[in-house]
Amino acid sequence: ELKVEQNPLFLSMQEGKNYTIYCNYSTTSDRLYWYRQDPGKSLESLFVLLSNGAVKQEGRLMASLDTKARLSTLHITAAVHDLSATYFCAVNPSNQAGTALIFGKGTTLSVSS
Amino acid sequence: DAGVIQSPRHEVTEMGQEVTLRCKPISGHNSLFWYRQTMMRGLELLIYFNNNVPIDDSGMPEDRFSAKMPNASFSTLKIQPSEPRDSAVYFCASSFAGEVFFGSGTQLSVL
Repeated sequence: ELKVEQNPLFLSMQEGKNYTIYCNYSTTSDRLYWYRQDPGKSLESLFVLLSNGAVKQEGRLMASLDTKARLSTLHITAAVHDLSATYFCAVNPSNQAGTALIFGKGTTLSVSS
Repeated sequence: DAGVIQSPRHEVTEMGQEVTLRCKPISGHNSLFWYRQTMMRGLELLIYFNNNVPIDDSGMPEDRFSAKMPNASFSTLKIQPSEPRDSAVYFCASSFAGEVFFGSGTQLSVL
C-alpha cells in the first residue's frame, strides 16, 4: 500500500525565517504535487513536479523532487502571515496522467510575528 | 473556464435519507475523481473515471455509496442510506495531461 508521509504535521513559524516541509513516499513515482488549502476552502494547486531533480519556485515557496530518495521538499523563504494554511503533497503512484493522486495528511503552517 | 463545479455547497440531511452530490468537470478534462476529506482520515480517494468509465472504486467505503458519470460533463456521487459517519467534505476533481484541479467541495452533515 502506498504511503505518503509529511512532516512536520504542524509548524509554527516566525515571520522572516526560513522553513522546510518534507514529503516522503513509499513507491517509485516521478509525479509529485503540492497543494495549498485555506480553512473551509478547496485545494489550490501550487506545483507539479514531473521528473527527478525538478525544482519549481513561486514567490517565497520552492519545491523540489528527488525520486531516488522518494522525497520532495517545500521550502519557505522569509515566512509571511499570508502563507498560513495547510499544505498537502500528493503522489501519482502509477506515473501516468489520468490516474488518481494519493495524498499525505497535510502540514498546517501558522505564521506569527 | 469556471473550473470544477460542485453542488450543493452544503447539505444537511437526516440519517437514512438519500444524498446526491453533483460535479461538472472542466471542459476537455478526461479524468474525474471523487475524494472525501475528514479530520481523522484526511483526503481519501473514493473513485475515479477516465473517459466516463470507472477505473478504480476500491475506495468506496460501502455498497451505500455509488457513483456515475453518464457523460463527459457530469458526475454524481450518491449515498443511500446516509449515516452520521458519512459527514465530511466531498471533493470532485478533474484532470487533463497530469494537472489536477479541485472543485469547491460539498460539506455534508448527516444528523
